[in-house]
Amino acid sequence: DGGITQSPKYLFRKEGQNVTLSCEQNLNHDAMYWYRQDPGQGLRLIYYSQIVNDFQKGDIAEGYSVSREKKESFPLTVTSAQKNPTAFYLCATAALGAGGNEQFFGPGTRLTVL
Amino acid sequence: RKEVEQDPGPFNVPEGATVAFNCTYSNSASQSFFWYRQDCRKEPKLLMSVYSSGNEDGRFTAQLNRASQYISLLIRDSKLSDSATYLCVVNHYLNTGGFKTIFGAGTRLFVKA
Repeated sequence: DGGITQSPKYLFRKEGQNVTLSCEQNLNHDAMYWYRQDPGQGLRLIYYSQIVNDFQKGDIAEGYSVSREKKESFPLTVTSAQKNPTAFYLCATAALGAGGNEQFFGPGTRLTVL
Repeated sequence: RKEVEQDPGPFNVPEGATVAFNCTYSNSASQSFFWYRQDCRKEPKLLMSVYSSGNEDGRFTAQLNRASQYISLLIRDSKLSDSATYLCVVNHYLNTGGFKTIFGAGTRLFVKA
């Protein structure tokens, strides 16, 4: 079954803890992205990667880290340095080509800091 | 000015109505354009790409006006199931290579029985 999987669906964290959100894809897409969405607001780019072992900061990278050791996987770590981490986190992928291809999203992870 | 701006919402329409969403973008070098739909507490899903010649998919019609840097989405014969937030999305190439994707903040649609 092709697609993008994110886990867990819901995640609760105590203040001061690091947590890692999983994103896996079997679409063979080169590019992967992490976004954050707050209630009633648009998507904001955290990090993106266009090739294995390389990634770039997005607009709100502070307090987050990523890795891209495999084409299929792009985990996001929310560190204790992120001051307001409660949000809906969305992973997306895209095939790179002329014109900039559309992005496809995973089902998201809702992170709540207690 | 935001790079991608959409109509403020929400739009409240009766079933069967025709509703139009508008979107403007600021970068004249933008290359590709899309409309996404996002249901409450779900991920965005691609609704349709937008081509210069305009394109139609059933009750949905998308138009692009490059000269005015304007994109539109028209929904005819609205259904209750069309209630969602509609996101305008624009890609443009970067001088350093690759492209940048900009998401609009979205316009919320409520279709009433």
